[in-house]
Amino acid sequence: DGGITQSPKYLFRKEGQNVTLSCEQNLNHDAMYWYRQDPGQGLRLIYYSQIVNDFQKGDIAEGYSVSREKKESFPLTVTSAQKNPTAFYLCASSIETSGRARDEQFFGPGTRLTVL
Amino acid sequence: KNEVEQSPQNLTAQEGEFITINCSYSVGISALHWLQQHPGGGIVSLFMLSSGKKKHGRLIATINIQEKHSSLHITASHPRDSAVYICAVRRGGADGLTFGKGTHLIIQP
Repeated sequence: DGGITQSPKYLFRKEGQNVTLSCEQNLNHDAMYWYRQDPGQGLRLIYYSQIVNDFQKGDIAEGYSVSREKKESFPLTVTSAQKNPTAFYLCASSIETSGRARDEQFFGPGTRLTVL
Repeated sequence: KNEVEQSPQNLTAQEGEFITINCSYSVGISALHWLQQHPGGGIVSLFMLSSGKKKHGRLIATINIQEKHSSLHITASHPRDSAVYICAVRRGGADGLTFGKGTHLIIQP
């Protein structure tokens, strides 16, 4: 079945350590996104990528890094520079139309990161 | 002020009731999305609208571009409809979505 997978579902790390969250899709979508969700707040865009080997900062990119070496994969690294990394992280993808990702976004199940 | 505002924040209703969740936005948009998030955290896309009205089963979504307002309606509500419903907009010329804080809906049997 086509879809988006994120692993692991729960992740615990010590403060000061970098951690990489996985996101894989087999929907043949061009565009991929990373969002962060905190209690009582709406999701916020961290990074997005419209095509392989290209990505753009979202609204809250500080302390995060990404790569897009393959169309199917868009891993997110939470670095030690991120001041409040504990959150729920969601990956999404969409078809890109005419240079802009205008279509419905499909979401992965999310990874809940807790930094101790 | 948030660019996307939802109301109510919390809603508890009895099974069978007609439910309305509202979303107002303050920016120019190319599309508006309604999403459903269950307690486990996974998000499902319900509707994507740029004008008019869409219906899927017991769910109806409408949008008024001039008034910058959208509503999500649930007819004959059921306990399995209990979830967080999220409104999100794609700002004109931008990538990624801007989200409301969500409406936590509980349908009691």
